Amino acid sequence: DGGITQSPKYLFRKEGQNVTLSCEQNLNHDAMYWYRQDPGQGLRLIYYSQIVNDFQKGDIAEGYSVSREKKESFPLTVTSAQKNPTAFYLCASSNNLRDPRYEQYFGPGTRLTVT
Amino acid sequence: SQKIEQNSEALNIQEGKTATLTCNYTNYSPAYLQWYRQDPGRGPVFLLLIRENEKEKRKERLKVTFDTTLKQSLFHITASQPADSATYLCALKGTGGFKTIFGAGTRLFVKA
Repeated sequence: DGGITQSPKYLFRKEGQNVTLSCEQNLNHDAMYWYRQDPGQGLRLIYYSQIVNDFQKGDIAEGYSVSREKKESFPLTVTSAQKNPTAFYLCASSNNLRDPRYEQYFGPGTRLTVT
Repeated sequence: SQKIEQNSEALNIQEGKTATLTCNYTNYSPAYLQWYRQDPGRGPVFLLLIRENEKEKRKERLKVTFDTTLKQSLFHITASQPADSATYLCALKGTGGFKTIFGAGTRLFVKA
């Protein structure tokens, strides 16, 4: 089955610790994205990547970092600098970053709780 | 700034009726508008895409309209079923842009 996997489903961390969220896709998509979803708000873009070894900051990149060493993988690190990290994190991919005809495919999400 | 508004109040309807969800936007001229379905604790799933020069698009029991003058899209589910209960997200994207702007979604409950 083609799709996007995210792991783990639930993640608990103590404040001050960095944590890395995994995202893997086997759709052969060039573009990948990370979003954060909070109750009552639309998805907010954290980082995006158009090709391997290239990524750009989205609207709320502060306190986050990413890497894109392989086409299939786009892990997100939530650092201790992120002021309010507790949220639902969604990874997505699409065929083409700029062509608006292509929809995004989303993973199942990771719910991160930091206490 | 660009803004998308979807009704934050949940929509409750009876099975068999038509559900109509609204998406309004401001300060944006999208070339494409998309609708996604999201179940609790899951990622959104793409449903339909409509272009700015299309007035209406249908797919099975789903119908989407796009009025660029009113800056509004309507999403209809006919003959609704309890399995249609979910949150529906509206998303906009311009030509050549990289960013898709998502609304917060409207929760739909279909009662048997």
